[in-house]
Amino acid sequence: EIVLTQSPGTLSLSPGERATLSCRASQSVSSSYLAWYQQKPGQAPRLLIYGASSRATGIPDRFSGSGSGTDFTLTISRLEPEDFAVYYCQQYGSAWTFGQGTKVEIK
Amino acid sequence: EVQLVQSGAEVKKPGESLKISCKGSGYSFTTYWIGWVRQMPGKGLEWMGIIYPGDSDTRYSPSFQGQVTISADKSISTAYLQWSSLKASDTAMYYCARHVSDYYYYMDVWGKGTTVTVSS
Repeated sequence: EIVLTQSPGTLSLSPGERATLSCRASQSVSSSYLAWYQQKPGQAPRLLIYGASSRATGIPDRFSGSGSGTDFTLTISRLEPEDFAVYYCQQYGSAWTFGQGTKVEIK
Repeated sequence: EVQLVQSGAEVKKPGESLKISCKGSGYSFTTYWIGWVRQMPGKGLEWMGIIYPGDSDTRYSPSFQGQVTISADKSISTAYLQWSSLKASDTAMYYCARHVSDYYYYMDVWGKGTTVTVSS
């Protein structure tokens, strides 16, 4: 089973700053099989990025994804107040797995 | 509008059985995998397994194989997650999610979640 490790565990930033979240896989993952989700307290997760770099419907362009192989990145170019949340990466190999999450909190 | 509507919160005792549901609407229920994700209190997301309602093909995470049963009734566009004997450690929020698996693999529609509390 492929293990996804996200870093950092917590990112403390101010609104307007740039956020860079990392997702590292224990073995190579097809870019087509890598997605990112946002979860706010008390809410279900929401799809942000699929195929490593394609934004889901309705997702603002300040969110971008990149990477290949074992290293993937989610970037939020300028943090808005509503972006403070937990972010998860997900992959499909022989099974579906999630990373442990990165919390983006207000500094 | 594509929606997944989950059944309401449950409070159960250890050893009891439980079946929670997830009803899909606004799309062809039989042509997408639908699965379950666990979130224990204050923790991250854990993928449990999926079912293809068209033919009931079912896949489980090794961590949940034998611990739960996933099923579906395509006549009423509903998927289920079932336990035969609950444990306190089953206390969690459970989400259903539509799985897209063609060229890309991701979960694009989520239910609001069902809270399961197991306590004596």
